[in-house]
Amino acid sequence: GESVGLHLPTLSVQEGDNSIINCAYSNSASDYFIWYKQESGKGPQFIIDIRSNMDKRQGQRVTVLLNKTVKHLSLQIAATQPGDSAVYFCAENRKGNTPLVFGKGTRLSVIA
Amino acid sequence: DAGVTQSPTHLIKTRGQQVTLRCSPKSGHDTVSWYQQALGQGPQFIFQYYEEEERQRGNFPDRFSGHQFPNYSSELNVNALLLGDSALYLCASSFGGPRDQPQHFGDGTRLSIL
Repeated sequence: GESVGLHLPTLSVQEGDNSIINCAYSNSASDYFIWYKQESGKGPQFIIDIRSNMDKRQGQRVTVLLNKTVKHLSLQIAATQPGDSAVYFCAENRKGNTPLVFGKGTRLSVIA
Repeated sequence: DAGVTQSPTHLIKTRGQQVTLRCSPKSGHDTVSWYQQALGQGPQFIFQYYEEEERQRGNFPDRFSGHQFPNYSSELNVNALLLGDSALYLCASSFGGPRDQPQHFGDGTRLSIL
């Protein structure tokens, strides 16, 4: 999987605005995708997942979009709140018994 | 409903020493995966245990070994510690072995090598 350097990409949004975090995955054989949120000093927290037979899935204030043609995944957060500030990771799972592979993280900073 | 718990939360060791980290999975889960997360990076898969056997392994040397107990808890052992082993070690649990499903993470053990 890809790893991110010391300087994570950062997205800054105003409180109340919508956030969109993007992720490019590498393997066209991947068929299951997860978004995790990681706050400082904590482990990754499951947000939402999607399988490759879907292109959109909604949760509470979050939506994940999957574009298999360009191997792109996005996480949309509606009405972003200060508590949403964290690093967000996408992860992919390939067909069969393969381990979860994490993509590059994005730091979301919410401006009050 | 207890989530994934890890111990200790922090640990300081010196080069060449050995360390054991512990993990109790979320209630109802029987599969444990271990990850290493270096500062500023995403978690990297070390290995996964299911039915007390190592089922999958990432690109880590044999210095990294593990064990799963009948109660599904797990240990990660690292021998001959190197400075580069300094990282956050995360345990994740799930149900039913290696398959596509969410894994639930603990808050990790921060290992520092001097």
